[in-house]
Amino acid sequence: GDSVTQTEGLVTLTKGLPVMLNCTYQTTYSPFLFWYVQHLNEAPKLLLKSSTDNKRTEHQGFYATLHKSSSSFHLQKSSVQLSDSALYFCALRETSGGNYKPTFGKGTSLVVHP
Amino acid sequence: EAAVTQSPRNKVTVTGGNVTLSCRQTNSHNYMYWYRQDTGHGLRLIHYSYGAGNLQIGDVPDGYKATRTTQEDFFLLLELASPSQTSLYFCASSDRVGTEVFFGKGTRLTVV
Repeated sequence: GDSVTQTEGLVTLTKGLPVMLNCTYQTTYSPFLFWYVQHLNEAPKLLLKSSTDNKRTEHQGFYATLHKSSSSFHLQKSSVQLSDSALYFCALRETSGGNYKPTFGKGTSLVVHP
Repeated sequence: EAAVTQSPRNKVTVTGGNVTLSCRQTNSHNYMYWYRQDTGHGLRLIHYSYGAGNLQIGDVPDGYKATRTTQEDFFLLLELASPSQTSLYFCASSDRVGTEVFFGKGTRLTVV
C-alpha cells in the first residue's frame, strides 16, 4: 500500500533561519503530493499541492518540488517566522489505481523561537 | 471554500456510553473521511466513504462504526466508548481522486 514518511517529529528553529521538512513516499501509482499545515487548535488546511515532476510549487513563502526519481516532496522556506510555528503534514493521493483514501505522514511539529 | 461542519465540538462521555459524532459537507464532494488525531500518531483514518450508502474500513476501525446517510452526511458511532477513544476527531471531504482534502474544525471527545 501507499506510505508517507516524515523523518522529523520536531524541528526547532530561530526566526529568520531557513527550514526544510522532509517527506518521502511510496506508491505504485502516479501521485499528487500535498503539504497541510495545522496551527494550534485549528483544523489542517492545504499549504501546497505538487505540480509536475521536477517543477517547484510555492505558496505563502513555502515551496516544494516533486522529485519522482527520489520519491520526495520536501517543504522549504528561506526565512521562518514566528507565525510558522505549527504542525505540518505531508500527504499523498493517487491519481489512478482505485485507492480513494489519502495517505498522511505522522506530521512534523515546527517551533520557531524569537 | 469547501465547508465541513462537525457537531458537537466537544463531548464528554462515560466508559461504556454511546456517542455519535456528526459531519455535514455542503460541497457535493463524493468522498468523506473520519480521522482521529493523537500526539505522536498524526492523523489516522478510521472509516471513509465514497458515496451515500457506501462505507470503507480505514486503518484503525476497531470500536467504531460509521454510516453515510446522504451525500452530505457522515456519522461516526462509538457504541461502547472506552478511555482509549479519547481523542480529537476530524471529519473531512474531497472531490475526485487526486484532489485536496477539506477538514472540519474537529470534535474533542473525552471518555472518562
